[in-house]
Amino acid sequence: AAGVIQSPRHLIKEKRETATLKCYPIPRHDTVYWYQQGPGQDPQFLISFYEKMQSDKGSIPDRFSAQQFSDYHSELNMSSLELGDSALYFCASSYFQVFANYGYTFGSGTRLTVV
Amino acid sequence: GDSVTQMEGPVTLSEEAFLTINCTYTATGYPSLFWYVQYPGEGLQLLLKATKADDKGSNKGFEATYRKETTSFHLEKGSVQVSDSAVYFCALVPDLSNFGNEKLTFGTGTRLTIIP
Repeated sequence: AAGVIQSPRHLIKEKRETATLKCYPIPRHDTVYWYQQGPGQDPQFLISFYEKMQSDKGSIPDRFSAQQFSDYHSELNMSSLELGDSALYFCASSYFQVFANYGYTFGSGTRLTVV
Repeated sequence: GDSVTQMEGPVTLSEEAFLTINCTYTATGYPSLFWYVQYPGEGLQLLLKATKADDKGSNKGFEATYRKETTSFHLEKGSVQVSDSAVYFCALVPDLSNFGNEKLTFGTGTRLTIIP
C-alpha cells in the first residue's frame, strides 16, 4: 500500500541557509500535518493543512512557512536556519472524514542537520 | 490545555516479561487516544488506538483500554520480545467533533529495551 513519502530523507545545511522539505500524502488523503522532533524529544506539532488551506498552527517559528499544493503534496520551507533547527521532521496525512477510524499515517521523516 | 503524561523511562525488561507503560491524559471533551511506536532510526508507526470510553485497542500482542474514569490509556503486553525494543509514545487528539482540531499531542515517550 502507498505510504506517506517524505524527501529528502537526510539534509545537511549550514547556519543561515534555507531548506525545503517535501511531503507526498497517501492518495486521497486531504489533510497534511507537520511535526518536529528534536533529539530525545517528543514530536511537536508545527502546522496542518486541510484541502490546501491552513487548518491549524502550532509552535512554528516565523522563519518557517508551509503550503499544500493542488495535488495535495506539501512543502515546509525553513529560512535562516539555526543550529536548534536540527531535528527529525515528520509529515503525516489523513482523510478527514474517516480520521476517527484510521487516524494519521506518518512518513519516515526528514532528518535535518544544521552545521 | 490538553496534555499527556507518560511513564518515564527508560524501561528495561527481560524477554517474556510482562510490560505496562502508564499513560494518563488531560483533555476537555472526548479525545481519541493512541499509542505510537518508534523503532531506532525510523518514523512513527501507529500501534493501536481507541476513540471512545471503554474501547480496547490491540495490535501485535499489545493492548490498551480507554478509561475515562481514571483518564488513562495504559499500554500492556503479556510477554515482550527483543524486537519490541523501541520508544513508545502515548498521544491524544482532542474531541473530533471540533473540526480542524485533529493535531496530536504526544507524551514524552518511553524507551523500552528488552534483553534476551
